[in-house]
Amino acid sequence: AQKVTQAQTEISVVEKEDVTLDCVYETRDTTYYLFWYKQPPSGELVFLIRRNSFDEQNEISGRYSWNFQKSTSSFNFTITASQVVDSAVYFCALSERAAGNKLTFGGGTRVLVKP
Amino acid sequence: NAGVTQTPKFQVLKTGQSMTLQCAQDMNHEYMSWYRQDPGMGLRLIHYSVGAGITDQGEVPNGYNVSRSTTEDFPLRLLSAAPSQTSVYFCASSYGQGTNQPQHFGDGTRLSIL
Repeated sequence: AQKVTQAQTEISVVEKEDVTLDCVYETRDTTYYLFWYKQPPSGELVFLIRRNSFDEQNEISGRYSWNFQKSTSSFNFTITASQVVDSAVYFCALSERAAGNKLTFGGGTRVLVKP
Repeated sequence: NAGVTQTPKFQVLKTGQSMTLQCAQDMNHEYMSWYRQDPGMGLRLIHYSVGAGITDQGEVPNGYNVSRSTTEDFPLRLLSAAPSQTSVYFCASSYGQGTNQPQHFGDGTRLSIL
C-alpha cells in the first residue's frame, strides 16, 4: 500500500529565509508519480510540481526547487527567499501507475512566513 | 475557465438528513474523484470514477454513494448524515489513468453535521 509521511507539521520562518519541506513515501510500484500541492488560507488546492519515478533530475522553477531521491524515498520541496504569500499548508502526494490516478496525501505541513 | 465547480460551498445538516454535493468539470476529464479533508490527516479518497458509468470505492467510502451518468458530473450523496462526516470535501478531475497528469481540484464544500 502506498503511504506518504510529512513529519513536519508546522514551520515558521521570517520573510526571505529558505524553507525546505520534507516528504517520505512508500510504494511497491516501480512507476509512480509525486506531487506537491499548496493550500492557501482561502482553502483551495493548487498544483505546484510533479515528478515521475523514472526521472530523478532535480529542477528549479522560479523560487521553487525539489530534490527527488529514490534511494531514500524522499521528495523534498524548497521555497527560496520566502514571502508572506507563501504562507499555506503544503501537501505531498503520491499516485501509483498500477492504481490509476488515486492520490495518497501526506498530512500536510503548515508554513507561516512572518514579515 | 470554470475548471472544477463544487456546490454548495457551505452546508449545515442535522444528523440523519441526506444531501448531495455537486461536482462538475468542463475539461472533458475521464477521471473524477471525491476526497475529504480532516485536520492533520491530509486528504483521503472517498470514491472515484474512471469514466461515465464506472465508479469505485476509495479509502473511506462508508456512508457515501456516487454515480457518474455523464463525463461532466460526479455527485456525492450522503444518505444519512452523521457527525463523523463533518469535514471539507473536495472534488477533483484529471486526464487518463495511471498518468502523471495532476488532478485539478474544486474549491471545496465545508460540511457540518450537528
